[in-house]
Amino acid sequence: SQQGEEDPQALSIQEGENATMNCSYKTSINNLQWYRQNSGRGLVHLILIRSNEREKHSGRLRVTLDTSKKSSSLLITASRAADTASYFCATALTGTASKLTFGTGTRLQVTL
Amino acid sequence: GAVVSQHPSRVICKSGTSVKIECRSLDFQATTMFWYRQFPKQSLMLMATSNEGSKATYEQGVEKDKFLINHASLTLSTLTVTSAHPEDSSFYICSVSTYTGELFFGEGSRLTVL
Repeated sequence: SQQGEEDPQALSIQEGENATMNCSYKTSINNLQWYRQNSGRGLVHLILIRSNEREKHSGRLRVTLDTSKKSSSLLITASRAADTASYFCATALTGTASKLTFGTGTRLQVTL
Repeated sequence: GAVVSQHPSRVICKSGTSVKIECRSLDFQATTMFWYRQFPKQSLMLMATSNEGSKATYEQGVEKDKFLINHASLTLSTLTVTSAHPEDSSFYICSVSTYTGELFFGEGSRLTVL
């Protein structure tokens, strides 16, 4: 299965701290994406990083991709209580750019 | 991006009945939509790829006669859970694929089969 594994499964931090989530996958990819899901809701796209990119930023988000290790990380800086959600990485296999396989997810809890 | 509307958001039905879930792309002509299923505190599992004007492509292990998908227009795909049973209770989410490869999701439909 291509499904990614995310680490940690759950993360609890205080507001203002940074949160780092990791994602590992198994086969070659076209791109890797990160999504956020609030409880019982749909997913919201956060950032897409292509296989030829190594790092990407969007506001307080920083994503890295290491294709040699088949891994990616999502860093949320200066976290806020509103960042509390589940975060999923998703991979698109080479040649199938929009069919995504989702990782197991990290549940982030940011407390005041 | 694309704005995706999914309806109903919640549905409760009796075992043996069929339930239809609609997924609408409000501002994007979607030739491809994806249907996912999510169990509590688990990841999303791709069920099928819905292709406008043609048959859906189902993932391995997903019964096509159980989960009927119709994508008759560029703005609407429907998922019908036929003869629903309690084990079909889940969170079903549709998504629209755009040119960039990003997916835009509906808000999901929570199905409870009694």
